Amino acid sequence: EAEVAQSPRYKITEKSQAVAFWCDPISGHATLYWYRQILGQGPELLVQFQDESVVDDSQLPKDRFSAERLKGVDSTLKIQPAELGDSAMYLCASSSSGRSLQTQYFGPGTRLLVL
Amino acid sequence: GESVGLHLPTLSVQEGDNSIINCAYSNSASDYFIWYKQESGKGPQFIIDIRSNMDKRQGQRVTVLLNKTVKHLSLQIAATQPGDSAVYFCAESNQGGKLIFGQGTELSVKP
Repeated sequence: EAEVAQSPRYKITEKSQAVAFWCDPISGHATLYWYRQILGQGPELLVQFQDESVVDDSQLPKDRFSAERLKGVDSTLKIQPAELGDSAMYLCASSSSGRSLQTQYFGPGTRLLVL
Repeated sequence: GESVGLHLPTLSVQEGDNSIINCAYSNSASDYFIWYKQESGKGPQFIIDIRSNMDKRQGQRVTVLLNKTVKHLSLQIAATQPGDSAVYFCAESNQGGKLIFGQGTELSVKP
């Protein structure tokens, strides 16, 4: 069964350092999403890609976060510099298209701890 | 603003009993609803979905009910098993495809 892959699974860093997360969506899925999930809460969308283009990054803190999907396949989310409040689970999801009625499938996530 | 919320943060049931997890949504324009199951340390796992033109949809041991009049969604799990223990999220979506999640209900199954 096809799955969304993410790495690393866990990351511990010190504040002010740079961190990067990688996601490989389900093969053939044109739409890729990055979410942030704080413990005890539901995921919140950070950025949505349709192929290589950003569709929605309205909730992405652009002063420190960046995301790219250069070839429209895998994607990288970067934080620089990391802050204590960035400690959370970062989830990647993909769907066959960005329209409604399309199920989003999630990866296992990257748990980030900023010290 | 848009919001999706759950009535109960925790639910404890006996193994073999049926479970009902409720969810309220506020955006009447939402046309697609999904239930996800999330086990500790893992990403959300798709359980079942329903479109706004339906009232009920059944899967294997799970049923989702949609009441658009009162903007309410529920997930019913039949013969709940210990492996069903997890946090359950409802999410809503509209034409843009963006998912809005509620805060989750933690289901605990007692053997």
